[in-house]
Amino acid sequence: QKEVEQNSGPLSVPEGAIASLNCTYSDRVSQSFFWYRQYSGKSPELIMSIYSNGDKEDGRFTAQLNKASQYVSLLIRDSQPSDSATYLCAVKSKSTFGDGTTLTVKP
Amino acid sequence: DVKVTQSSRYLVKRTGEKVFLECVQDMDHENMFWYRQDPGLGLRLIYFSYDVKMKEKGDIPEGYSVSREKKERFSLILESASTNQTSMYLCASTLGQGNEQFFGPGTRLTVL
Repeated sequence: QKEVEQNSGPLSVPEGAIASLNCTYSDRVSQSFFWYRQYSGKSPELIMSIYSNGDKEDGRFTAQLNKASQYVSLLIRDSQPSDSATYLCAVKSKSTFGDGTTLTVKP
Repeated sequence: DVKVTQSSRYLVKRTGEKVFLECVQDMDHENMFWYRQDPGLGLRLIYFSYDVKMKEKGDIPEGYSVSREKKERFSLILESASTNQTSMYLCASTLGQGNEQFFGPGTRLTVL
């Protein structure tokens, strides 16, 4: 079992829809969780961090953390074509990244 | 803004050559990391450093070494490059262990 697993892609949604990206992790002591966005040919950039159970909202992005179930998710509301990218889930306890989910938002 | 720079965007080397990849950050970050990224394999941690002259092995250290003589600079060394080290290499830095990582632009290394 991988330490961080993301839902297999690619994921395709129409413009304006909600995109849901999921991530599970195996290390129960992990305290910090991050979502990075990586455009093709570019390096990852942080879009959300979350440390406590519950929801954290930032504009069109919402991160959800459930430590008991060991999953973290990212919701993108009103998806735009510019959101098309690979999204990486990171669990900071060991600087471990998931393999990424590639999202395509179709106009 | 935090800036992480890498010495080259593209690099082509021959099998057996010694290769140096340099990474510099300008925000006085304690921690620095080297990853490689390959299609289907995601980001894999090669080495990291929590302080000057300190280094820790990541998940795939074989064939690599690192050097951190100054806080702002973290070098990745391929002692004898092989074709299976053809990859995208990403450097990152972070202020503390629980903080976000800032990535450099990456070096695409091709070993012929």
